[in-house]
Formats: sequence, C-alpha cells, structure tokens
Amino acid sequence: EIVLTQSPGTLSLSPGERATLSCRASQSISSNYLAWYQQKPGQAPRLLIYGASTRATGISDRFSGSGSGTDFTLTIGRLEPEDFAVYYCQQYGGSPPINFGPGTKVDIK
Amino acid sequence: QVQLQESGPGLVKPSETLSLTCTVSGASINNYYWSWIRQPPGKGLEWIGYMYYSGKIFYNPSLKSRIVISMDTSKNQFSLKLSSVTAADTAVYYCARWRELLFDFWGQGALVTVSS
Repeated sequence: EIVLTQSPGTLSLSPGERATLSCRASQSISSNYLAWYQQKPGQAPRLLIYGASTRATGISDRFSGSGSGTDFTLTIGRLEPEDFAVYYCQQYGGSPPINFGPGTKVDIK
Repeated sequence: QVQLQESGPGLVKPSETLSLTCTVSGASINNYYWSWIRQPPGKGLEWIGYMYYSGKIFYNPSLKSRIVISMDTSKNQFSLKLSSVTAADTAVYYCARWRELLFDFWGQGALVTVSS
C-alpha cells in the first residue's frame, strides 16, 4: 500500500504570502499519477493540479505543482482570501489503486 | 457542464444497508469511470470504489466485503450500497467522475448518519 503523508498539517499565513505544501509518498510513484485538490468548508473537493504539475481548467496560475518520485509540492504564489482551504494530494496505483493524503489546512494568520 | 447529484436517506440504523444514488447530467455514464468517495466529519477523504459502464469495477479492499456499486444506464445513474453499517460509516458521501487518473467532477455530497 502506498501511503501519502502531507506536511505541515496546518499552515498559518497572511494574504499575499507564498504557501508551500508537501506531499510525500511511501514509495516512488509516477508523476502522472499525482493530483492535488482544494476543499473549502461545506464544499466538495475541486481539482487543482494533475500529473503533478498541470493546472486543471480554470485554475489560477498562482497555483503550481512540482516534484517526482516520492516528493511532491504544491505552491500557491501569493495567497488570496479565497485560497484559505484544505488541500489534499491523491495518487493512483498500488493497492488500493486510489488514495488521498490526510490534507494540509491553510488558514489565515 | 457535467453535474452530479447524490440522493438517499440521511439517516441509517446500525447494521442496516446504506443506499445512495448519483444522478449524472451533462455527460453519459456510458463513458468514463464513476466513483464514490466519503469523508467522515472533520476528517480526510477515503476512496470507496469505481465502476465502468461495461461492468468493470474496483473496490477499496478495506470496504470490499460490504460494498456494491451498480449502474442504471437508462437513467444515467449509478448507486452505492454499503451493508452492515456502524457509526464509523457516518460521513459525507461524494460521487465523482474518475477520468484518467483524476477526479474532475464531483457532486455536492450527501451526509449520511448512522444512528439508532
């Protein structure tokens, strides 16, 4: 089973600051198989990034993804008020074939 | 625009079967994989399973013995049945489209509480 670990658990930042979120896999995964989602309270998750670095349709270029192997990063260039949310990474492959990381909450400092 | 909407009872008794339906509009379920994901209150996301219209199904091994996912192509719907529920199955249940390694469209979610 591939386990995803996200850090930090909570990131407290001010609007305008840069956010760096980490997703680490317990074993190497293909970059194609790593996605990031944003979830706001009371809402379903929304796809941000797929293939580790490709922004989904309509996603601001403030959001960027990078990484390979076991270490992946989601960066939010300059935090806007609407960016404060929980972010999940998700991988495909292994058993179970789909799983999510525990999430990183980005909240207002 | 693809839209998904979950429906079903919001309260289920322990040991009974949870049943939810997802109605899809804007796309035919005769393409892609269609999936269920759940989220216990205040916790993270857990993938339940997905199904292709041809009948190809993958379930999360941790839930496999209790899950049935099925489709009704005539109604453009797919369904989830989870048997022998306990309080640990209390969660928001989402339906979503699984497409090439990602979930691109999600329903708004349905809270199901397991309680007597």
